[in-house]
Amino acid sequence: GQNIDQPTEMTATEGAIVQINCTYQTSGFNGLFWYQQHAGEAPTFLSYNVLDGLEEKGRFSSFLSRSKGYSYLLLKELQMKDSASYLCAVRPYGQNFVFGPGTRLSVLP
Amino acid sequence: DVKVTQSSRYLVKRTGEKVFLECVQDMDHENMFWYRQDPGLGLRLIYFSYDVKMKEKGDIPEGYSVSREKKERFSLILESTSTNQTSMYLCASSSLTGAMLETQYFGPGTRLLVL
Repeated sequence: GQNIDQPTEMTATEGAIVQINCTYQTSGFNGLFWYQQHAGEAPTFLSYNVLDGLEEKGRFSSFLSRSKGYSYLLLKELQMKDSASYLCAVRPYGQNFVFGPGTRLSVLP
Repeated sequence: DVKVTQSSRYLVKRTGEKVFLECVQDMDHENMFWYRQDPGLGLRLIYFSYDVKMKEKGDIPEGYSVSREKKERFSLILESTSTNQTSMYLCASSSLTGAMLETQYFGPGTRLLVL
């Protein structure tokens, strides 16, 4: 089966940079996705990596290495509103989406 | 912007009652999905649909059924609720074409409490 691992919780300070890692075991997939989910709300799409390398989108960047089965989400200039859970997900070929358990990020003043 | 709406944000039902959750998307997406999300278990796929009148079981279909009579609507039915169906239910949709291929867009969720 497919498996995605993420740290359960992380804490960082307002204005800092934080990196949320995601490791996965899957034979092949179209792309890797990152979602943000605030408490009690639905996940919202953040980023999508198809090729290896870094995709930058404002304060958020996402990195993918297919050979290493590894991705990370980088959040810069952290703000209090970035406190949320961050979900990593892949869609293996011929299968449904597989979501990671999520990383709960707390941003402290 | 993609918009996915769900018929209710909060529901409270008694064991054995029927529940009908409706999801509507306005982006002409082919794919629609129903998930439930529980603490410590993450998102789990219940059912999905790739086209009108088509449905496929996900990872946890037991106790649920679905209906897709129109492209924009995907309904989740709980014929006889049980307490272990207390959960957050999330609908999502995605497209088979375009630059953001298969990116899933979620509705606001329905928090169901079964007493």
